[in-house]
Amino acid sequence: GAVVSQHPSRVICKSGTSVKIECRSLDFQATTMFWYRQFPKQSLMLMATSNEGSKATYEQGVEKDKFLINHASLTLSTLTVTSAHPEDSSFYICSARDRGQGNEKLFFGSGTQLSVL
Amino acid sequence: AQTVTQSQPEMSVQEAETVTLSCTYDTSESDYYLFWYKQPPSRQMILVIRQEAYKQQNATENRFSVNFQKAAKSFSLKISDSQLGDAAMYFCAYRNTYNNNDMRFGAGTRLTVKP
Repeated sequence: GAVVSQHPSRVICKSGTSVKIECRSLDFQATTMFWYRQFPKQSLMLMATSNEGSKATYEQGVEKDKFLINHASLTLSTLTVTSAHPEDSSFYICSARDRGQGNEKLFFGSGTQLSVL
Repeated sequence: AQTVTQSQPEMSVQEAETVTLSCTYDTSESDYYLFWYKQPPSRQMILVIRQEAYKQQNATENRFSVNFQKAAKSFSLKISDSQLGDAAMYFCAYRNTYNNNDMRFGAGTRLTVKP
């Protein structure tokens, strides 16, 4: 099946620094990618929808200047957590839709555990 | 807004037995997709099974099957012959056919499989 690679899997950073998370579709083109946040023992919450070649669409309550999303190619979307603070510590997951397999299939990355000290 | 409810935070099943996880959803749409995802300790989200709302036949994937009751807006997952590797968080999800970006997840059910 389609593979989505997410990197890094774990990152620890100091408060005030920025962290970039990459999400790559390895064997398919993804015009749309999604970024989720998951707190411990909770469900996935959609943060934003990343569209190739255009601005991302953010969910209500998600600060677009805080969580910068870039989707510059059909296989790569990045999420940058700017000026990270301890409350940004969370598990971040990306997913991508394979155009070739119909719109209903999403493939997920393996997630990134962000810890802000 | 569409909501997905999983009323069982935790479930337990004996190895080789059958367990059913519940999911209900709320929508005013007639066309949509429903999914069950598995999230093992690795936290990788894995698609278990999906159902198109326009199909009356319940989806099955090997030991996994669903009981889709459209009128009742219910979408339960049955795991037969449970295996130790089935232990995970299970998330029910809904997606509108017309708004491909609007996928909603339930709160999840943690399944424990006892040897």
